[in-house]
Amino acid sequence: SQQGEEDPQALSIQEGENATMNCSYKTSINNLQWYRQNSGRGLVHLILIRSNEREKHSGRLRVTLDTSKKSSSLLITASRAADTASYFCFSGGYNKLIFGAGTRLAVHP
Amino acid sequence: KAGVTQTPRYLIKTRGQQVTLSCSPISGHRSVSWYQQTPGQGLQFLFEYFSETQRNKGNFPGRFSGRQFSNSRSEMNVSTLELGDSALYLCASSVRTSGNTGELFFGEGSRLTVL
Repeated sequence: SQQGEEDPQALSIQEGENATMNCSYKTSINNLQWYRQNSGRGLVHLILIRSNEREKHSGRLRVTLDTSKKSSSLLITASRAADTASYFCFSGGYNKLIFGAGTRLAVHP
Repeated sequence: KAGVTQTPRYLIKTRGQQVTLSCSPISGHRSVSWYQQTPGQGLQFLFEYFSETQRNKGNFPGRFSGRQFSNSRSEMNVSTLELGDSALYLCASSVRTSGNTGELFFGEGSRLTVL
């Protein structure tokens, strides 16, 4: 199974609301990254959090990492219709490059 | 700086044929990784190349192979195509070195349809 697994699988919200996605992974990591994919296109890097960090911010994004629970969360604040996309977590380690199944976020105007 | 370029963007093949996909990484990136994306299985890691050597491999049959050239460009090949090989194939490059994974830069993908 995938090392990284996101939940929920799908999330539907209104513009202006916050969206929270969670990710779990199974082995030790150097870092955890989040990516966004717009319908059928390549992935775009959003944010990277190192294994010795607990929280990181970038604009409207906030990422947390709990290495004891092997989990991370991505919070998008004040969402916009343009945030509609699939979001994937990626656990960065040496041996495998593993993405989760993704969370499909739909932001309605 | 040019991004990751994948060719062809779209292709249609029939069962039993083979296909070769190409990926040109960002200049200076020596790591290239490949992924298969399907609606049912999500993003599956195929393999990773670094300095012309396959460093990691996912759980795919031997019909899936790849290589990397001295200029870091990479190709992947799928032989004896099956209907289930229909997917978006994504390539990513990075400055990833041993033991550390940095940001991945993705191409737009090659969408393969097998009839």
